[in-house]
Amino acid sequence: DAGVTQSPTHLIKTRGQHVTLRCSPISGHKSVSWYQQVLGQGPQFIFQYYEKEERGRGNFPDRFSARQFPNYSSELNVNALLLGDSALYLCASSSLGVVTDTQYFGPGTRLTVL
Amino acid sequence: AQKVTQAQTEISVVEKEDVTLDCVYETRDTTYYLFWYKQPPSGELVFLIRRNSFDEQNEISGRYSWNFQKSTSSFNFTITASQVVDSAVYFCALSERSASKIIFGSGTRLSIRP
Repeated sequence: DAGVTQSPTHLIKTRGQHVTLRCSPISGHKSVSWYQQVLGQGPQFIFQYYEKEERGRGNFPDRFSARQFPNYSSELNVNALLLGDSALYLCASSSLGVVTDTQYFGPGTRLTVL
Repeated sequence: AQKVTQAQTEISVVEKEDVTLDCVYETRDTTYYLFWYKQPPSGELVFLIRRNSFDEQNEISGRYSWNFQKSTSSFNFTITASQVVDSAVYFCALSERSASKIIFGSGTRLSIRP
């Protein structure tokens, strides 16, 4: 079975631009979470979606938004990019989105903002 | 508030040595979950273990073992007879039952020299 997939693998944008990152969860998983990992730090929680509803949100500005589609795939959107948004963006999927579920992570999208 | 501290930023040992990665956590919840993840150079986070706050039994899986002590709020990870393939960044993480997110520590970069 395929694991969590993310696209694109790498992305270079300039300040002020908009970016959309995509994630496909493991087949049968209904929950997707997004994390931002700045170089040298641990991942930080951005959003969790379950059954197309936002279940949790981390301490990120409104420039960050996400949605989940009927097939459970998800998009993370970031507007008005700043240099500090440069990071590895990780997507994780789990079956029910509860803490007792194991979260499986994708390979990430590396975003560079110039 | 939740917090995970991994005081060891980098560790380097020679192959076949035993190595212990330290993790100290803070939480006000009585029900919580602790995790260890491995992040190889490819970037994908690999789930290693999940422990709930009511299960203080130590766990062993092959060369890996985990020591959970609520009295000292620690969840340490030991690799016995380390191998070069163990080289990676290791993250300790915490999730409270009421939360939908996982809080990660800053990670420990482990290098195993041949």
